[in-house]
Amino acid sequence: NAGVMQNPRHLVRRRGQEARLRCSPMKGHSHVYWYRQLPEEGLKFMVYLQKENIIDESGMPKERFSAEFPKEGPSILRIQQVVRGDSAAYFCASSPRTTNTEAFFGQGTRLTVV
Amino acid sequence: GQSLEQPSEVTAVEGAIVQINCTYQTSGFYGLSWYQQHDGGAPTFLSYNGLDGLEETGRFSSFLSRSDSYGYLLLQELQMKDSASYFCAVPNRDDKIIFGKGTRLHILP
Repeated sequence: NAGVMQNPRHLVRRRGQEARLRCSPMKGHSHVYWYRQLPEEGLKFMVYLQKENIIDESGMPKERFSAEFPKEGPSILRIQQVVRGDSAAYFCASSPRTTNTEAFFGQGTRLTVV
Repeated sequence: GQSLEQPSEVTAVEGAIVQINCTYQTSGFYGLSWYQQHDGGAPTFLSYNGLDGLEETGRFSSFLSRSDSYGYLLLQELQMKDSASYFCAVPNRDDKIIFGKGTRLHILP
């Protein structure tokens, strides 16, 4: 049973470009969470999704950021017109429908904006 | 709103015992979880307390007191590989999981 898969592991983008981060949850998991982590800091909640539904996006910046979790395929976090301040590690986590007391994390995507 | 407070750093000696505290303020409480994260790595689940008391898993134990809105992670027989950041986290009524800012554990030989 493969774990949570994120790709790419590292992503470099120039200011103004788009970044697309992908996350495939563990098999059987219907809850996906995205978190952002700056160096030496904690995990900041961004968005919580279930299949085809955004449940809570209260942690997402209102502009340039969007997320989806389609019926088929991975969850995507999209950042448009990236700026230097978007440089961070972005982690995806998944949990089964029955409980969110334990979340399984992917290895993260380290985004660097140059 | 929700908030979790934990110390930013803790230092201990190899072989010793260390306790990392977490106090929380939540609207609706469903339990306290703990995660470990090594530098450059992904957070990994350590333990969950849904009820008051102590849960033990090998060298690691976690405690919860719902009446005090307080919990802690206890690490015994510290090893150098335990040097990492430790996060407490709470799932809320909307199934969102909120994390504390993390405690960086430094272990001295």
